[in-house]
Amino acid sequence: DGGITQSPKYLFRKEGQNVTLSCEQNLNHDAMYWYRQDPGQGLRLIYYSQIVNDFQKGDIAEGYSVSREKKESFPLTVTSAQKNPTAFYLCASNPGSYNEQFFGPGTRLTVL
Amino acid sequence: AQSVTQLDSQVPVFEEAPVELRCNYSSSVSVYLFWYVQYPNQGLQLLLKYLSGSTLVESINGFEAEFNKSQTSFHLRKPSVHISDTAEYFCAVSATSGSARQLTFGSGTQLTVLP
Repeated sequence: DGGITQSPKYLFRKEGQNVTLSCEQNLNHDAMYWYRQDPGQGLRLIYYSQIVNDFQKGDIAEGYSVSREKKESFPLTVTSAQKNPTAFYLCASNPGSYNEQFFGPGTRLTVL
Repeated sequence: AQSVTQLDSQVPVFEEAPVELRCNYSSSVSVYLFWYVQYPNQGLQLLLKYLSGSTLVESINGFEAEFNKSQTSFHLRKPSVHISDTAEYFCAVSATSGSARQLTFGSGTQLTVLP
């Protein structure tokens, strides 16, 4: 079955540590996105990539980094510079038409 | 740039009653409109979308939304809700042109269906 997978589902991190969230898709989509979701604030765009080896900052990129070495993969690193990283992180991809996005199941990150 | 306002953060309703979740948007260009649904600790699932043509769009599980360009609204309705409709609902908008294919989301409406 085609889809988007995110791992792990739950992640715990100590303050000061970097952590990488995985996002993989087998839908052959060119564009991929990372969002952060906090209660009552909807989804905010962190980074997006429209093609391999290229990505752009979204609205809240500070303290995050990404790479896009393969079409299928778009990992997100939450660095120690991110002051309030506890949140639910969602990865999405776009098939290239009408801006519709397909979402993964999410990773809940908790900083201890 | 686009923006989306979901006027109600929480909507409680009794089972089998009708419901309307309100969404207004702001944009200087033509837009596509979407409603997504999110169940607890899960990703978002597309419920329905307006791209062009008929302003009334429907989903397979009984929801419908009407695009009203003059009022810049895309309200979501269902004539009779079920317990299983309890979830958070997000309205989203994107420009019809441009290469970024970005979606702008509202802050969400938590629909709670009561027995």
